[in-house]
Amino acid sequence: QVQLQESGPGLVRPSQTLSLTCTISGGSISSGSYYWSWIRQHPGKGLEWIGYTYGTGRTFYGPSVKSRVTMSVDTSKNQFSLKLKSVTAADTAVYYCARTSFFTTVTTNEHYFDFWGQGALVTVSP
Amino acid sequence: SYDLTQPPSVSVSPGQTARITCSGDALPDQYTYWYQQKPGQAPVLVMYKDTERPSGIPGRFSGSSSGTTVTLTISGVQAEDEADYYCQSAGRSDSYVIFGGGTKLTVL
Repeated sequence: QVQLQESGPGLVRPSQTLSLTCTISGGSISSGSYYWSWIRQHPGKGLEWIGYTYGTGRTFYGPSVKSRVTMSVDTSKNQFSLKLKSVTAADTAVYYCARTSFFTTVTTNEHYFDFWGQGALVTVSP
Repeated sequence: SYDLTQPPSVSVSPGQTARITCSGDALPDQYTYWYQQKPGQAPVLVMYKDTERPSGIPGRFSGSSSGTTVTLTISGVQAEDEADYYCQSAGRSDSYVIFGGGTKLTVL
């Protein structure tokens, strides 16, 4: 069964860049059958999709942080990464990585998250 | 912007049936997915494509859809089902994914 594990600094200074890595085990990021997503959850709040990347490096970002986010893939390490620049206290959240299943219907491109990492709390503070 | 609306809270006694709704204008044309999140844990997929249950999810979880409202039903609720539940569907225009605000299920 696939497992995902987030890693990275738990504290980031304001205006700096938040960097997280998700390591995949039990599956290959290059399989082509899945996207690989980042999702965050502000303290005591709901879930917010940040975006996803594909094994080829193709990316799709959601509107909330689109201008500040970069995602990438390292197939040699079976990892994908998130970089969020110019962070503020509003970026303090638990960040999850998740495997993303996708398919297309007549009306929509469907996506859902079938395996999640345990989450990494990132605090933005001076 | 396009939103999915969930009730903030639902309360039931053990053994009763809990119904958690998710409403959105586009839901007749999209599938809905449900996640269970217990305190301090990552979300877990409990329903996909409106009515499909992933492997390992108990049979007391079921899903249904009617018009602009999708419902997650938990029959014979157990104490271990107490959690936050989030619905999710495809977004519109600039977002591929949206989540509902979440519903806190309390088992009395």
